[in-house]
Amino acid sequence: DTGVSQDPRHKITKRGQNVTFRCDPISEHNRLYWYRQTLGQGPEFLTYFQNEAQLEKSRLLSDRFSAERPKGSFSTLEIQRTEQGDSAMYLCASSFGGRYTDTQYFGPGTRLTVL
Amino acid sequence: GDSVTQMEGPVTLSEEAFLTINCTYTATGYPSLFWYVQYPGEGLQLLLKATKADDKGSNKGFEATYRKETTSFHLEKGSVQVSDSAVYFCALSESNAGNMLTFGGGTRLMVKP
Repeated sequence: DTGVSQDPRHKITKRGQNVTFRCDPISEHNRLYWYRQTLGQGPEFLTYFQNEAQLEKSRLLSDRFSAERPKGSFSTLEIQRTEQGDSAMYLCASSFGGRYTDTQYFGPGTRLTVL
Repeated sequence: GDSVTQMEGPVTLSEEAFLTINCTYTATGYPSLFWYVQYPGEGLQLLLKATKADDKGSNKGFEATYRKETTSFHLEKGSVQVSDSAVYFCALSESNAGNMLTFGGGTRLMVKP
């Protein structure tokens, strides 16, 4: 088990460009979460999937953001027409969710800088 | 909505000192409570958790007890080491709310030799 992996680790882009991040969860984890963390703050929830279904989206997830999890394995998070305010660390977490509370394991994150 | 409040840092201690980082929460139901740690240059790691009232989570010498009456989950360690220097996040999740985590703002701990 290699843990949750994210790619790329760092992304620098110009305002207005589109970016896509990938998350590979721990194998057999059916739940996958995306969070955003800005400098000096705690992570904030963006969205989560159970298998391939996107079950919850935060109000933080504007129309420029879209997430997918085809086949219930890896997930992608795309940001269209990036803005400087999108600069943050994007964290992915996975868990094996059952009836009760599960434990989420985090990846190393993708740091996005929008110039 | 749910929220988590933790003491602001940085907290600066000498090696072998006693550590307390306060955490209080507001939740609509019966949350599970977590402490995550973020070492410099690394990702978030689960430190400990408690899923019901009066449960004590413990790991690596750290402890926290789920206190429903005071809605608190304070982190303690009897003797800190330089290697404990990191940012600590208190968090909660509710199983009837998709289990997404709600985090506090984090507390930076600096331990000096």
